[in-house]
Amino acid sequence: GIQVEQSPPDLILQEGANSTLRCNFSDSVNNLQWFHQNPWGQLINLFYIPSGTKQNGRLSATTVATERYSLLYISSSQTTDSGVYFCAVGLYNFNKFYFGSGTKLNVKP
Amino acid sequence: KAGVTQTPRYLIKTRGQQVTLSCSPISGHRSVSWYQQTPGQGLQFLFEYFSETQRNKGNFPGRFSGRQFSNSRSEMNVSTLELGDSALYLCASSQTGVGSYEQYFGPGTRLTVT
Repeated sequence: GIQVEQSPPDLILQEGANSTLRCNFSDSVNNLQWFHQNPWGQLINLFYIPSGTKQNGRLSATTVATERYSLLYISSSQTTDSGVYFCAVGLYNFNKFYFGSGTKLNVKP
Repeated sequence: KAGVTQTPRYLIKTRGQQVTLSCSPISGHRSVSWYQQTPGQGLQFLFEYFSETQRNKGNFPGRFSGRQFSNSRSEMNVSTLELGDSALYLCASSQTGVGSYEQYFGPGTRLTVT
């Protein structure tokens, strides 16, 4: 299967700081999503971004599919941004995600 | 539109028992996938159903099975429960069976096996 590596595994920030989370994957994909897992376990959709760049408020994401990586940018972080961020990738014509191990973000006031 | 719903939200079972979990996808979504999340193994794909047919299967023993009904609702069953089956089980739905569409996850069912 596809290997997905996320870095860093843990990140501690002061409120207001910016951060970049990275997702590397081992094979060609045409399905990539970023999720934030809330404290109750639900995966919240952040971006569906198999390629290109998208922005949503303080969050933005870029995927360079040819180089097999994606970045999630969080600007002006808030304590509510704390949690685990997952990158998930999928193969063409298969509805099957391979997940990374996640980045655990802790934003301190 | 209502999101993906899963029932029950919490479940406690004893080793050797069996369990059935349910997932109702977003209206109009025909593909339902199931994932297991554990602290040790992370998020792992179990299987995917589309139009009542299992299209993809992960690397889990035959004790894990599922099905999908004509209204796209799906159930997964785990027989002869083991302690290691304790996990958060998540289902996801997407609009079509073609793998380039966004997936939406339900709140999960937290299963504890004692």
